[in-house]
Amino acid sequence: NAGVTQTPKFRILKIGQSMTLQCTQDMNHNYMYWYRQDPGMGLKLIYYSVGAGITDKGEVPNGYNVSRSTTEDFPLRLELAAPSQTSVYFCASSPPGALTEAFFGQGTRLTVV
Amino acid sequence: KQEVTQIPAALSVPEGENLVLNCSFTDSAIYNLQWFRQDPGKGLTSLLLIQSSQREQTSGRLNASLDKSSGRSTLYIAASQPGDSATYLCAVGAGYSTLTFGKGTMLLVSP
Repeated sequence: NAGVTQTPKFRILKIGQSMTLQCTQDMNHNYMYWYRQDPGMGLKLIYYSVGAGITDKGEVPNGYNVSRSTTEDFPLRLELAAPSQTSVYFCASSPPGALTEAFFGQGTRLTVV
Repeated sequence: KQEVTQIPAALSVPEGENLVLNCSFTDSAIYNLQWFRQDPGKGLTSLLLIQSSQREQTSGRLNASLDKSSGRSTLYIAASQPGDSATYLCAVGAGYSTLTFGKGTMLLVSP
């Protein structure tokens, strides 16, 4: 059981470049999330999805886009990379309901230079 | 807007000590509260989840309490071990299981 898998683990981008962070889960969870973690800070919610075809903005959505075409996959797109997007990105999933814990991927460390 | 604060930011203790990590939140309208462990360069591992209607949860040497009315939670670690060294994150759950995180407490347990 792989859980939540993120690729790549590390990436260096130049300012203005674009990339997609991949996230897939094999637990058939309805809910999926993208968070970013800056050094010494807590995680902040970028976008989330409650099912295929449904996405919504979190606290810090600017500069990012998402899509959810299947239950398993929830890619995060950076269109024009900026130094402020240097961070560690975590994808997570959970079943619906207040009794359920969230499962996190190992993270993608992104540096924009 | 929900704000989550964790105290202390860092803690260093000798092996065997019992310790308490604190978490406070500003909005008591929460669905649940989770404590996570994060090892350097790794993802987050869920330790305990407390529903808003519960007062505490226990798992092994870990005990988490929740006082929703006062906006506080504590994580108690009994008989600490060097393997407990990590950053501990508190997160408050809201609608659609979205989480608001504190900045974490970095724990170092020395042999």
